[in-house]
Amino acid sequence: RKEVEQDPGPFNVPEGATVAFNCTYSNSASQSFFWYRQDCRKEPKLLMSVYSSGNEDGRFTAQLNRASQYISLLIRDSKLSDSATYLCVVNPDSNYQLIWGAGTKLIIKP
Amino acid sequence: NAGVTQTPKFRILKIGQSMTLQCTQDMNHNYMYWYRQDPGMGLKLIYYSVGAGITDKGEVPNGYNVSRSTTEDFPLRLELAAPSQTSVYFCASSYGVGLGDQETQYFGPGTRLLVL
Repeated sequence: RKEVEQDPGPFNVPEGATVAFNCTYSNSASQSFFWYRQDCRKEPKLLMSVYSSGNEDGRFTAQLNRASQYISLLIRDSKLSDSATYLCVVNPDSNYQLIWGAGTKLIIKP
Repeated sequence: NAGVTQTPKFRILKIGQSMTLQCTQDMNHNYMYWYRQDPGMGLKLIYYSVGAGITDKGEVPNGYNVSRSTTEDFPLRLELAAPSQTSVYFCASSYGVGLGDQETQYFGPGTRLLVL
């Protein structure tokens, strides 16, 4: 089992819709979790951090389910500018070595 | 603030050549990282540094070397380029580790390397 797994997609979603995708992790002792966004041929940028059960920032909600070892990202009222690859990142033991998922590609269509 | 800057943006190397990828940050971050990103794969940590004069291996260090003589600079050296090193290389920095904003990693724009 991979340490961090994501559905690669692509998720093709009409503008204005709600979309959600999950990320599973293998290390049950993991303490901190992140969603980064990466635009095509660009560097990753932090979207949200998830330390407890969840976090909300405008149209974006991240939730953590420790029992089932997954985090989710929900995007409401999707915009064309939300088109990107969303990277799930896990810190398995609060050291320097983050574990990165391969990403989920999201395409928002007009 | 320029944030994290990387040079060059793109480079083609022949097998066996060497090169240095430059990385500089102006945020006074203690921690710096080098990653490689291959198509369809997650970022893999090559080397990291927790401060000037201190470096350590990440998950995929073979074929690379680093140094950290100042807080700002963290160059990555490829000594004998191989086709397997064709990738996109990202440098990143963070204030620290642990919970909170300290963990946020800020990335440079990347260097695309092609080894033929």
